[in-house]
Amino acid sequence: GESVGLHLPTLSVQEGDNSIINCAYSNSASDYFIWYKQESGKGPQFIIDIRSNMDKRQGQRVTVLLNKTVKHLSLQIAATQPGDSAVYFCAEKRDYKLSFGAGTTVTVRA
Amino acid sequence: DGGITQSPKYLFRKEGQNVTLSCEQNLNHDAMYWYRQDPGQGLRLIYYSQIVNDFQKGDIAEGYSVSREKKESFPLTVTSAQKNPTAFYLCASSFAGDYEQYFGPGTRLTVT
Repeated sequence: GESVGLHLPTLSVQEGDNSIINCAYSNSASDYFIWYKQESGKGPQFIIDIRSNMDKRQGQRVTVLLNKTVKHLSLQIAATQPGDSAVYFCAEKRDYKLSFGAGTTVTVRA
Repeated sequence: DGGITQSPKYLFRKEGQNVTLSCEQNLNHDAMYWYRQDPGQGLRLIYYSQIVNDFQKGDIAEGYSVSREKKESFPLTVTSAQKNPTAFYLCASSFAGDYEQYFGPGTRLTVT
């Protein structure tokens, strides 16, 4: 079965606000996580990754937070834009492969 | 232009027919992967290959077959044994030991 999952399947956010997308994982031995963005009808695109020896990593307008105590991962998007509307997946390294969660659909309201 | 390509974008087949989906990459990646995506669900791994002439089953390999004769190519055959073949199929690739996978644009297969 899956070892990663997202708390909410959908998220609606006002343009300009910050978005927070959550993901829980079950394998405490996991040491690498990735966030992907998938626009409608396209393949997933890499957003940001984080290793388990880190608590936080920042990219352009995005921040990933890792809480190993509660096995929780989150992706924060600052100043959400219409182009951020997509499905967001977290993925966990497991047995030399990636295991993907079901995804959260983010809709940006104008 | 470096990248990973999948063709065709849309594919229609009759039930009982085998169909082969193409995946090509010119990123010089060692590893290649096939995933299946159903509506509202995450990606499920079908097969993966870490080197030429070698591949392993993923979580849902039944009814599928692959080959890896060239580093650049990893075609997937959906056989008539696959009970529910209609889905969005994604191919990905990565460097050996690197977990960041690059995805192709996908092929939407419809079997009626």
